[in-house]
Amino acid sequence: KAGVTQTPRYLIKTRGQQVTLSCSPISGHRSVSWYQQTPGQGLQFLFEYFSETQRNKGNFPGRFSGRQFSNSRSEMNVSTLELGDSALYLCASRLGAGGVDEQFFGPGTRLTVL
Amino acid sequence: AQSVAQPEDQVNVAEGNPLTVKCTYSVSGNPYLFWYVQYPNRGLQFLLKYITGDNLVKGSYGFEAEFNKSQTSFHLKKPSALVSDSALYFCAVRDNGAGSYQLTFGKGTKLSVIP
Repeated sequence: KAGVTQTPRYLIKTRGQQVTLSCSPISGHRSVSWYQQTPGQGLQFLFEYFSETQRNKGNFPGRFSGRQFSNSRSEMNVSTLELGDSALYLCASRLGAGGVDEQFFGPGTRLTVL
Repeated sequence: AQSVAQPEDQVNVAEGNPLTVKCTYSVSGNPYLFWYVQYPNRGLQFLLKYITGDNLVKGSYGFEAEFNKSQTSFHLKKPSALVSDSALYFCAVRDNGAGSYQLTFGKGTKLSVIP
């Protein structure tokens, strides 16, 4: 079974631009979560989607948004990029509505904002 | 609010020796606890989890963790370390009374196994 895939793997943008990151979950998984990983702040939760609905959102500004499609694939968008948005963005999927299953992570998208 | 503390930024251990990576947590309800490992330029890989039941949880690659409710700890252990175990280890917690699935991660502990 294929794992979680994220595209692109690396991205370089300049301040003020916007970016869209994509995540394809493991087949059959209906929940997708996004995390931002930086050396200073560690792993921080961005949001979780289940069946195309955002179920929870972390403490990030409105410039960070996401969506989930009917095939469970998810995209994350960051508008008006700032230098501090440079990070590894990780997507994780899990089976679904229950709370005991573990998340499986993709390799991440490394975003550099210049 | 839920939180996780990994008190050691780095742990060094000689190959063949036992290793311990420490984790303490804080939740208002009962915890679901997880350990993940991250290798350079890779995402996180699931190692093991505690949901309920036996306090000693066995996971992948020979790792195990012991849940201690009174000390609110969930330390990761392995009887004999391998050089290939060198990586970044994350402890995570979820409050099982929370309405949504949101994992809170510790800052991570870098494990170096010395040949």
